[in-house]
Amino acid sequence: QSVLTQPPSVSGAPGQRVTISCTGNSSNIGTGHGVQWYQQSPGIAPKVLIYGNTHRPPGVPDRFSGSKSDTSASLAITGLQAEDEATYYCQSYDTKLNLFVFGTGTKVTVL
Amino acid sequence: HVQLQESGPGLVKPSQTLSLTCIVSGESISSRNYFWSWVRQPAGKGLEWIGHIYSIGTTYNPSLKSRVIISVDMSKNQFSLNLTSATAADTAVYYCARWMFPQRYFDLWGQGMLVTVSS
Repeated sequence: QSVLTQPPSVSGAPGQRVTISCTGNSSNIGTGHGVQWYQQSPGIAPKVLIYGNTHRPPGVPDRFSGSKSDTSASLAITGLQAEDEATYYCQSYDTKLNLFVFGTGTKVTVL
Repeated sequence: HVQLQESGPGLVKPSQTLSLTCIVSGESISSRNYFWSWVRQPAGKGLEWIGHIYSIGTTYNPSLKSRVIISVDMSKNQFSLNLTSATAADTAVYYCARWMFPQRYFDLWGQGMLVTVSS
């Protein structure tokens, strides 16, 4: 039921910059509801990295940054580290479907 | 130090009710600053929001609404999920999570509990 589309995978070498896109529509990302980004390692619960499109909670490294434009959002990871290898999900609220929605997930591989 | 911990049967027979409880420690579940939520994740797949309970009511995923009830027990500081008429498609890791205000994101998660629906 994922209405937010993400690329299945992205990869980069240590120290590089990678970006993950999240494509929605006018009923979710295109509304005033923010986009959140979560990181999930295997067997572990998700952890928030970005909320409200661009804000980092306390303790999240500034290597992680978020942006939003119209009906899409992006997560950028700069200075890629081995510990960043995980699956990343975007999340928002869909006003037409009346539910919290998650993206399809993107697996980040550090080469 | 606030924590969430899921508990319940790890195996449910088809057509029976899947029941889980999330024990909240370190924070009162009556706080108006949070939605207390359930999210599930089938093996190898993405996250699906099930629903949440808050100070004045509940909201459910429309695709599950006919089978879901989320309730709260203030005296035990816990909230529960009941999913009726379970099928193999309900097999997943179930997480309880806290949605916080005013920042509006899932800031705290339980460790997750695998529930298998099988005879």
